Amino acid sequence: DTEVTQTPKHLVMGMTNKKSLKCEQHMGHRAMYWYKQKAKKPPELMFVYSYEKLSINESVPSRFSPECPNSSLLNLHLHALQPEDSALYLCASSQALGEKLFFGSGTQLSVL
Amino acid sequence: DQQVKQNSPSLSVQEGRISILNCDYTNSMFDYFLWYKKYPAEGPTFLISISSIKDKNEDGRFTVFLNKSAKHLSLHIVPSQPGDSAVYFCAAWGAGGTSYGKLTFGQGTILTVHP
Repeated sequence: DTEVTQTPKHLVMGMTNKKSLKCEQHMGHRAMYWYKQKAKKPPELMFVYSYEKLSINESVPSRFSPECPNSSLLNLHLHALQPEDSALYLCASSQALGEKLFFGSGTQLSVL
Repeated sequence: DQQVKQNSPSLSVQEGRISILNCDYTNSMFDYFLWYKKYPAEGPTFLISISSIKDKNEDGRFTVFLNKSAKHLSLHIVPSQPGDSAVYFCAAWGAGGTSYGKLTFGQGTILTVHP
């Protein structure tokens, strides 16, 4: 199994809503990542988890809250988002930091 | 400050010919380089990588060349096929300093292969 599975594929939410994005991998990878991608731009790193501990937070606003319940799962909790947060949110995993990343197909988020 | 640069936003190539995509980097702490291919509304797919101790890596139709002194790498696709049409991202891992633990992407190059 070489897949990273993200749910949901699409999400529309209002600025007062609370929602969560989910990511799962069963490759035994110990590093997991959240990236954000806007149209015609490269993926931008948001968070890095290594061995289930948050190791990098790229100064992401607190309305985005990551969680790593176990080595296979990664969540991104969303609260009070702004319309400019609308983007493709990508989850990825790697065997360890410095190894090649495997990406999920992303969650296309629209904030109204 | 863009540490990984792909200066060509787009490239158009005839089927069967060679596609050459270029990438430059500025951070000397980068030690592992990867190329990803991406279709709209999908996640990037890993293509090929190269470590800083090598100058060439080949996998089927894809070859990546690294020139460390020039801080430049390139991806060659031979022969190009219409199915190769996608956005190609160059990415680099930092070995230390503020770039440690981060995979940094270039801006991407849109490759179009015409039949």
